[in-house]
Amino acid sequence: NAGVTQTPKFRVLKTGQSMTLLCAQDMNHEYMYWYRQDPGMGLRLIHYSVGEGTTAKGEVPDGYNVSRLKKQNFLLGLESAAPSQTSVYFCASSLGSLRPQHFGDGTRLSIL
Amino acid sequence: RKEVEQDPGPFNVPEGATVAFNCTYSNSASQSFFWYRQDCRKEPKLLMSVYSSGNEDGRFTAQLNRASQYISLLIRDSKLSDSATYLCVAFYGQNFVFGPGTRLSVLP
Repeated sequence: NAGVTQTPKFRVLKTGQSMTLLCAQDMNHEYMYWYRQDPGMGLRLIHYSVGEGTTAKGEVPDGYNVSRLKKQNFLLGLESAAPSQTSVYFCASSLGSLRPQHFGDGTRLSIL
Repeated sequence: RKEVEQDPGPFNVPEGATVAFNCTYSNSASQSFFWYRQDCRKEPKLLMSVYSSGNEDGRFTAQLNRASQYISLLIRDSKLSDSATYLCVAFYGQNFVFGPGTRLSVLP
């Protein structure tokens, strides 16, 4: 099993460009999450989904959009990238809300 | 005040030492707690859940003190491979809240 797979692994964007980060899980998990991790800040929740077709805002949702059209995929979009969005982005999934989360290996995104 | 706080360290300990980390959480309604381990430039990985009665997994022991709102992680007989950042996690409301992590370096 691959677990949680994120693509791409690295990306450099110019301010104002758009892009989509893809997260795919093969564990049949209902819940999926997008986090960003910045030095000294810990992981912060951007958006999450409790099932196919559902999404909800986390702690830092501004500037991001998400979609969960299929149970196994959770997409994170940046419509107009800003330097403040330079970060490492992690996707995670879990069986349920109180169950441990399994993480992908991250996407390193730099906005110039 | 941050919802989950940890001493960032680094904790530099010799191989074979015992080391303990504490983590405090601000929301008394927190329902579940975990310790994750994160290696440099890697994803977080679940180390262990934290149960109310305390629990042990090999060299690792986790404790929960609800009255004082903190959880702890004890590592006995430290190995070089234990060098990593340890993330404390509390669940409340609908989501997990991660602490910023405590960095551990085990020295030969």
